[in-house]
Amino acid sequence: QSVLTQPPSVSAAPGQKVTISCSGSSSNIGNNYVSWYQQLPGTAPKLLIYDNNKRPSGIPDRFSGSKSGTSATLGITGLQTGDEADYYCGTWDSSLSTVLFGGGTKLTVV
Amino acid sequence: QVQLVDSGGGVVQPGRSLRLSCAASGFTFSNYGMHWVRQAPGKGLEWVALIWYDGSNEYYADSVKGRFIISRDNSKSTLYLQMNSLRADDTAMYYCARWAASYCSGATCYGGGNWLDPWGQGTLVTVSS
Repeated sequence: QSVLTQPPSVSAAPGQKVTISCSGSSSNIGNNYVSWYQQLPGTAPKLLIYDNNKRPSGIPDRFSGSKSGTSATLGITGLQTGDEADYYCGTWDSSLSTVLFGGGTKLTVV
Repeated sequence: QVQLVDSGGGVVQPGRSLRLSCAASGFTFSNYGMHWVRQAPGKGLEWVALIWYDGSNEYYADSVKGRFIISRDNSKSTLYLQMNSLRADDTAMYYCARWAASYCSGATCYGGGNWLDPWGQGTLVTVSS
């Protein structure tokens, strides 16, 4: 049972938009930045979003992030079949001095 | 380019030990905190341990506390995870990852943010008799 809560799965058609939520508490998301990671099948996780809403170089602007209070959201527009992956939110927990990950959300593009 | 290469995984019997390594290149290793994260087959990511940039502090997940030890050799740009008293539920792919920060204390991170990037390719540990 992860401290950060994500929906287990989401799905949408190619070209559509999807959002993935990540819910935490005041000791983690509420007082720290959130990052998002994409894990394509059989590969290591890759940084997608950092500091709530910033994209590393090379990440298309179809991917966006936001945070409000103790929740964060990843948005993906113009869905492509290549976006099918597991997505994880992550943050720092100030009181535990640990990194936390959400349970992961499997995105299906159908 | 910035790269992390994980190694040392394998099949080990319950109760035995194993040491993982993570070789870093393309950046000043001694400036960054480092993490180990694992993923059991078909499961999500589980944070395992972290070590500050200078090795002065370490933190562990409750599931491995007292059994695993994270360490680093900044002269060799290498991160380690010594895993003792291994159990079947330690079976997982183990990834090392670079912290954007040197360290975080409370809600403040120094030298960078709290995200992990890049990640190693992973090394598989299977605990089985």
